[in-house]
Amino acid sequence: EAQVTQNPRYLITVTGKKLTVTCSQNMNHEYMSWYRQDPGLGLRQIYYSMNVEVTDKGDVPEGYKVSRKEKRNFPLILESPSPNQTSLYFCASSLLGQGAKNIQYFGAGTRLSVL
Amino acid sequence: KNQVEQSPQSLIILEGKNCTLQCNYTVSPFSNLRWYKQDTGRGPVSLTIMTFSENTKSNGRYTATLDADTKQSSLHITASQLSDSASYICVAGGNSGGGADGLTFGKGTHLIIQP
Repeated sequence: EAQVTQNPRYLITVTGKKLTVTCSQNMNHEYMSWYRQDPGLGLRQIYYSMNVEVTDKGDVPEGYKVSRKEKRNFPLILESPSPNQTSLYFCASSLLGQGAKNIQYFGAGTRLSVL
Repeated sequence: KNQVEQSPQSLIILEGKNCTLQCNYTVSPFSNLRWYKQDTGRGPVSLTIMTFSENTKSNGRYTATLDADTKQSSLHITASQLSDSASYICVAGGNSGGGADGLTFGKGTHLIIQP
């Protein structure tokens, strides 16, 4: 089954404690990205990757890091989480980033609370 | 600045009734218009994708329309079912020219179907 898998689904942590949210896709997609979703706001792109070893900033990259060492994996790293990073995070993948017909597939989401 | 505005913010209808959700966008250059369904606690799932040259696209009981001249789109749901209760997100895609996916997300319409 084609899917994007995020882990963990729920995470409570404290300010400053480094964490990683994993994302894996089994569709051989080149393009992967991370979004955050906050109440009253639309999804906002944090980082994206067009292929292995190619990553770039989205609209709200501050406080986040990513890596793309393998095609299927795209982890999101919070080196020193702060309360304003409390949010619902989604990983997504698609065949190519800019194609008009390319369907984006989203993971189930990771709900993060930073105390 | 690229923007996507959706209306209404929320809507309650009885099971079996039809409804129409609206989306106005200001994205330039414009490439495609997407509708996603997001169940509570889940990731968005693609319903329809239309390029700027398409006027309508159907997916079962969901029919999306696009008027690129007025920069408006609508999503019509026919014979609503309880499982249609969800948030519906309108997304306008532009040719960003860079690596970002060029997608601008609306805040969504929260639809509740009552028995």
